[in-house]
Amino acid sequence: AQKITQTQPGMFVQEKEAVTLDCTYDTSDQSYGLFWYKQPSSGEMIFLIYQGSYDEQNATEGRYSLNFQKARKSANLVISASQLGDSAMYFCAMREGRRYSTLTFGKGTMLLVSP
Amino acid sequence: EAQVTQNPRYLITVTGKKLTVTCSQNMNHEYMSWYRQDPGLGLRQIYYSMNVEVTDKGDVPEGYKVSRKEKRNFPLILESPSPNQTSLYFCASSRTSGVGETQYFGPGTRLLVL
Repeated sequence: AQKITQTQPGMFVQEKEAVTLDCTYDTSDQSYGLFWYKQPSSGEMIFLIYQGSYDEQNATEGRYSLNFQKARKSANLVISASQLGDSAMYFCAMREGRRYSTLTFGKGTMLLVSP
Repeated sequence: EAQVTQNPRYLITVTGKKLTVTCSQNMNHEYMSWYRQDPGLGLRQIYYSMNVEVTDKGDVPEGYKVSRKEKRNFPLILESPSPNQTSLYFCASSRTSGVGETQYFGPGTRLLVL
């Protein structure tokens, strides 16, 4: 079974609208971390946001927030007020168990922001 | 400037010719890792290191070696490259704090093995 599932291969959104990118995960560990990354067409990987399994509040970083629903094992990324520069591939990832362990990525969602 | 550097950025080589991709970070991070990215497969972790002289296998370690002799450097070694190792490779380092973990990626190395 896949540990990280991103069911949306692609998403379209208009500039200034909010968009939610879905991510579900599968783990039996109580301690884990969830990550979101952005990869523009230029190829670099950009860390966006982190959520720990014991964090009670949803993580936020500027226009990015992580909608963490532990019981549903979902960690959706919400981008508020989309900008043209948000067009990119977005990856969800999870690290299970101890702090320094393997990081597993989903297959990604391509987001296109139109004017 | 805080950064992770990789060299070379682009490399074309032939099957069996040993190569090393260097990775260096200037942030004094303990944790460093290597990933490969392939179309349709996303990113997969090759190896990671928790500190000097401490390394462990990720999901796809076959055909790769790493070493961590200094905190700042974490080279990836392909002893006998094969065409199925053609990929985009990323090095990354992490810091942890009270609010969680932040990961910094290098610019990537595009490798073509003929």
